[in-house]
Amino acid sequence: DTAVSQTPKYLVTQMGNDKSIKCEQNLGHDTMYWYKQDSKKFLKIMFSYNNKELIINETVPNRFSPKSPDKAHLNLHINSLELGDSAVYFCASSPTYNEQFFGPGTRLTVL
Amino acid sequence: SQQGEEDPQALSIQEGENATMNCSYKTSINNLQWYRQNSGRGLVHLILIRSNEREKHSGRLRVTLDTSKKSSSLLITASRAADTASYFCATAAGANSKLTFGKGITLSVRP
Repeated sequence: DTAVSQTPKYLVTQMGNDKSIKCEQNLGHDTMYWYKQDSKKFLKIMFSYNNKELIINETVPNRFSPKSPDKAHLNLHINSLELGDSAVYFCASSPTYNEQFFGPGTRLTVL
Repeated sequence: SQQGEEDPQALSIQEGENATMNCSYKTSINNLQWYRQNSGRGLVHLILIRSNEREKHSGRLRVTLDTSKKSSSLLITASRAADTASYFCATAAGANSKLTFGKGITLSVRP
């Protein structure tokens, strides 16, 4: 009965690899988000989708590509991983422009 | 620079004392939200205050908003060891009410 779930929880990979993180919410929310939290705990929005439509696309390298197959899922694919991509990535959802519900996070380590 | 700036950056108090955390921001907002993050976990929404509200309560939490000073405070009364966490303020602005987070405050409550 988890509200917002992410897989995997931990991801360790080599530079140059391509990886994906999956997110699912069972709250019936229309809006989903991806955030990146760096080692200093600074949290920055990357993307937002509303009912499968991209509505926020911050200045993120185009190696990052979100995909929303339906409004309950928002996946994040990262190509050609770099050392600087190491961070914790959080998925969140909200009932449109109100409080957000966060997933447990995916800790990505690029070696 | 990010919208929300919290102070202090770190706060250490004794159990039973009150904890006050402040947040300042720069531009007009739709609402301001406070979140808690326990170590290694996702963010949990605590309270949302709209731009036309001045004060809001939720259990042991009291939030104030002063739009003329572009500042907010979060008061946790009768703190408990379980309140130990990082606390973030986030401002929602614009048509999409994009959330912009501050750097967070680390609260330690000593038993």
